[in-house]
Amino acid sequence: GAVVSQHPSRVICKSGTSVKIECRSLDFQATTMFWYRQFPKQSLMLMATSNEGSKATYEQGVEKDKFLINHASLTLSTLTVTSAHPEDSSFYICSARDLGTKYNEQFFGPGTRLTVL
Amino acid sequence: QKEVEQNSGPLSVPEGAIASLNCTYSDRGSQSFFWYRQYSGKSPELIMSIYSNGDKEDGRFTAQLNKASQYVSLLIRDSQPSDSATYLCAVRGSNYQLIWGAGTKLIIKP
Repeated sequence: GAVVSQHPSRVICKSGTSVKIECRSLDFQATTMFWYRQFPKQSLMLMATSNEGSKATYEQGVEKDKFLINHASLTLSTLTVTSAHPEDSSFYICSARDLGTKYNEQFFGPGTRLTVL
Repeated sequence: QKEVEQNSGPLSVPEGAIASLNCTYSDRGSQSFFWYRQYSGKSPELIMSIYSNGDKEDGRFTAQLNKASQYVSLLIRDSQPSDSATYLCAVRGSNYQLIWGAGTKLIIKP
């Protein structure tokens, strides 16, 4: 099946710093990737849709200047959490849409656990 | 507002029995439906995709879709303790985004 990687898997940072998370589709091209956030014991929350070569589309209530998304190639999207604060601590997960499958299923990366001190 | 509904559970099933997970959706025009499994602390993993009315089988898993009644279900035969997880139902919406149910926690008791 399609493989999506994320890096780093875990990051601890001080309040006020910026953190970059990479999402890569390893064996397929992904024109569209999605970024989610999940707090403990809660549902997945879609943050934004990342489109290769164009601006990301953010969900209502998600600050685009705080969560910067760049989708510079067909296999890489990055999420940068700028000036992170403790309330940004969460599990960030990306998914990628595989155009090579008949119905363009979404496959998830393993996630990045962010802890802001 | 398009919605996907699941019973949050937990659903407790004896080992070796059939686990039945159900999901209903509000948008009658929906065409693509997915079941994901999520272990605690991990990301979701695609289990089944279904697009046509009827049953689709893959190993111990069977997805069932009834568009007239707007429900999709997942059956797990010969349940194993390793099947204990949260099962997420998702329906494809516009722009290829997925509309998610809240998930059903399944517990397989040895």
